[in-house]
Amino acid sequence: DGGITQSPKYLFRKEGQNVTLSCEQNLNHDAMYWYRQDPGQGLRLIYYSQIVNDFQKGDIAEGYSVSREKKESFPLTVTSAQKNPTAFYLCASSIAGDGYTFGSGTRLTVV
Amino acid sequence: GEDVEQSLFLSVREGDSSVINCTYTDSSSTYLYWYKQEPGAGLQLLTYIFSNMDMKQDQRLTVLLNKKDKHLSLRIADTQTGDSAIYFCAAQSGTYKYIFGTGTRLKVLA
Repeated sequence: DGGITQSPKYLFRKEGQNVTLSCEQNLNHDAMYWYRQDPGQGLRLIYYSQIVNDFQKGDIAEGYSVSREKKESFPLTVTSAQKNPTAFYLCASSIAGDGYTFGSGTRLTVV
Repeated sequence: GEDVEQSLFLSVREGDSSVINCTYTDSSSTYLYWYKQEPGAGLQLLTYIFSNMDMKQDQRLTVLLNKKDKHLSLRIADTQTGDSAIYFCAAQSGTYKYIFGTGTRLKVLA
């Protein structure tokens, strides 16, 4: 079955550490996205990519980095520059004019 | 920038209808979507409506669009406890981007 997979489901980060969240899709979707969800604030766009080897900053890109070396994969790195990284992170993919397909999310906690 | 607004909470009794409202600002939005999020999970696409439509019905779900007022609503008929979740409205903004509302938490009382 086609779908979008995020891993891990739970992730713990120490202060000053970089961590990478994985997102893989086998839907042959061109575009992929990373959102951050905080309670009562809805979804905020971190980065998105419309094609391989190209990506754009969203509304809250500071402290995050991404790569898009393959169509299927769009990993997100939360760097030590992100001062408040505890949140639920959602990856999504889409084709033009279609709705998003979301992954099941990664909950990141700073310890 | 473009914005999508929703009320934060809605509480209904089991068997009643639920109506979740949304307003958006981007008049060029071609597609508008409703997503459902259950606790600890990703968002699931429920339904969508094309901007040249006024209404779309899909089983218990009815979407109404007032393009002049930029107002979208989702009606759930015969609401069940399994419908308790957060519902997000999203408006297309450009070819690939969508703007999401803050989500409406629906609580269904037995």
